[in-house]
Amino acid sequence: DAKTTQPTSMDCAEGRAANLPCNHSTISGNEYVYWYRQIHSQGPQYIIHGLKNNETNEMASLIITEDRKSSTLILPHATLRDTAVYYCIVRAPQGGSEKLVFGKGTKLTVNP
Amino acid sequence: NAGVTQTPKFRILKIGQSMTLQCTQDMNHNYMYWYRQDPGMGLKLIYYSVGAGITDKGEVPNGYNVSRSTTEDFPLRLELAAPSQTSVYFCATSRRGDTEAFFGQGTRLTVV
Repeated sequence: DAKTTQPTSMDCAEGRAANLPCNHSTISGNEYVYWYRQIHSQGPQYIIHGLKNNETNEMASLIITEDRKSSTLILPHATLRDTAVYYCIVRAPQGGSEKLVFGKGTKLTVNP
Repeated sequence: NAGVTQTPKFRILKIGQSMTLQCTQDMNHNYMYWYRQDPGMGLKLIYYSVGAGITDKGEVPNGYNVSRSTTEDFPLRLELAAPSQTSVYFCATSRRGDTEAFFGQGTRLTVV
């Protein structure tokens, strides 16, 4: 799997948008970008994933650059409950993607 | 549906003892994973399985063993517990390698 680079930590004011960046400059053409988050002491939770088009669901939006070398997870109106570690992962759909490996992630703190 | 169930939730072991961490899923997923997470650190993949009868090593397999005799169960065995194995252990499943993963609530293990 391609490696990802994320900032160690970020802060965001409650009610504002949180924009979490991820670099994946060695991503292959068939690899998807996945985002998970881990709220303190709980198991990680899936947020969203995408290939090359922007994606949106009830939790977040995912913006992937045209060259696919980076992406941004957007939480449009961050709340205190969004304080968590956010992980960006790239995986291919077939062959060689059996391992699901997490990096160090970004610790997002939402402040009141 | 219970999803991914891990037992026990907490356990204290003495050095040299052995134990099995249980992981059961009712989602009929093929892929299952075991992770450990040390305090303040990210998740490290211990072992994974892409189907019944198939297991493979992850990033940190030493000191652990697994088996996958059924689709539903993926137990993790510690044979000779060491203080370095004090950690929180998470089990996860996914339908395929390119689909979202679901995590259990974790087992907090202390070796003294």
